[in-house]
Amino acid sequence: AQSVTQLGSHVSVSEGALVLLRCNYSSSVPPYLFWYVQYPNQGLQLLLKYTTGATLVKGINGFEAEFKKSETSFHLTKPSAHMSDAAEYFCAVEGAGTALIFGKGTTLSVSS
Amino acid sequence: DAGVIQSPRHEVTEMGQEVTLRCKPISGHNSLFWYRQTMMRGLELLIYFNNNVPIDDSGMPEDRFSAKMPNASFSTLKIQPSEPRDSAVYFCASSGRAPYNEQFFGPGTRLTVL
Repeated sequence: AQSVTQLGSHVSVSEGALVLLRCNYSSSVPPYLFWYVQYPNQGLQLLLKYTTGATLVKGINGFEAEFKKSETSFHLTKPSAHMSDAAEYFCAVEGAGTALIFGKGTTLSVSS
Repeated sequence: DAGVIQSPRHEVTEMGQEVTLRCKPISGHNSLFWYRQTMMRGLELLIYFNNNVPIDDSGMPEDRFSAKMPNASFSTLKIQPSEPRDSAVYFCASSGRAPYNEQFFGPGTRLTVL
């Protein structure tokens, strides 16, 4: 069965600092992996996805994630945090059928 | 494209009342998902449909909850009777055909049961 673990429910960084949000997955088949972002009082929005091919995936707003099969990880990074990046971030893996299995989320806070 | 449409955006009701949440998926999508989000429990999948057929309703908390999808462009989530612990934000999402299964989320319905 597929599962996702997000390490750290809350991450705080300073503006301009590196953002690193951790996600580890478990899957019995080659996984499809996703990162979603949720801004306050909004629905989830897709940041990026890994399906096949290049293991470094670039998404919107300067975010990227690297699929590492040997580490079963799909960590999300951004070189320089901006105040507008403050939000909740969800990692997800494709589950059975068409459902996605979401992690519990990581809240990113950015201070000036 | 209008995206996933949910109504109402906010609902305040009293305990014991029936609540109906509505969702219009993106045209052409064949899968629809209902989620509930609370501070305590995070994002929970309640039920999902493929081609209007319920596939997995194991996340529906109890018999007070029911969901229907009478056609490809409309779904409802009903709570009867509602209780204060049902207060949450309910999201609807839709996705196209596999294999990538990217889900597109609606803006959510914030339900408050007094």
